[in-house]
Amino acid sequence: QTVVTQEPAFSVSPGGTVTLTCGLSSGSVATSYYTSWFQQTPGQAPRALIYNTYTRSSGVPDRFSASILGNKAALTITGAQADDESDYYCVLNMGSGNWVFGGGTKLTVL
Amino acid sequence: EVQLVQSGAEVKKPGESLKISCKGSGYSFTRYWIGWVRQMPGKGLEWMGIIHPGDSDTRYSRSFQGQVTMTADKSISTAYVQWSSLKASDTGMYFCARIEMAPITGYFNMDVWGKGTTVIVSS
Repeated sequence: QTVVTQEPAFSVSPGGTVTLTCGLSSGSVATSYYTSWFQQTPGQAPRALIYNTYTRSSGVPDRFSASILGNKAALTITGAQADDESDYYCVLNMGSGNWVFGGGTKLTVL
Repeated sequence: EVQLVQSGAEVKKPGESLKISCKGSGYSFTRYWIGWVRQMPGKGLEWMGIIHPGDSDTRYSRSFQGQVTMTADKSISTAYVQWSSLKASDTGMYFCARIEMAPITGYFNMDVWGKGTTVIVSS
């Protein structure tokens, strides 16, 4: 069974830049997986950040950007702010109506 | 305003049945799929499956196939997940999300989420 991998935790300084990644236990993440990214703070519903690998969701500031880096999908936060401290999840469409979430990355801003 | 409003928290005993709901408003309910996502306490997001309210086309994650049933009533713009016999391991938060999807290419966009329904299963 395919596992979607994310860094368990990451930290960034306020104003800094951080790149979170989303990979596969076997193979490479391609645009054909239509990767989405979500932000979730404790006790809240996930918030859509990115869909279709690169496209920012409505209302998402442009300091959030996404790309393919090597064999992984990546989410970059530029100019990190205190309220970016959240859990970040990617999800890939593995086909046949089967989506798989990564385990999430807990981002600390300090 | 596009919204998904989910039903309230539930506390149940093992073996009991349960049906939770997700009501859409502010958009054409039958033009989008509804996805369901579980989050167990302190854990990450898990894909459960999706349903198209227009024709009830339903696709389950392998992990949830046979464990839950997803339905939709387009006349009242509401999607449901139901359990026939709950287990303690069903305890968690359940989210619904609106999904724009192109089944042939695999393109999808989960853009609007409900606030979640807490389900606690305990004897």
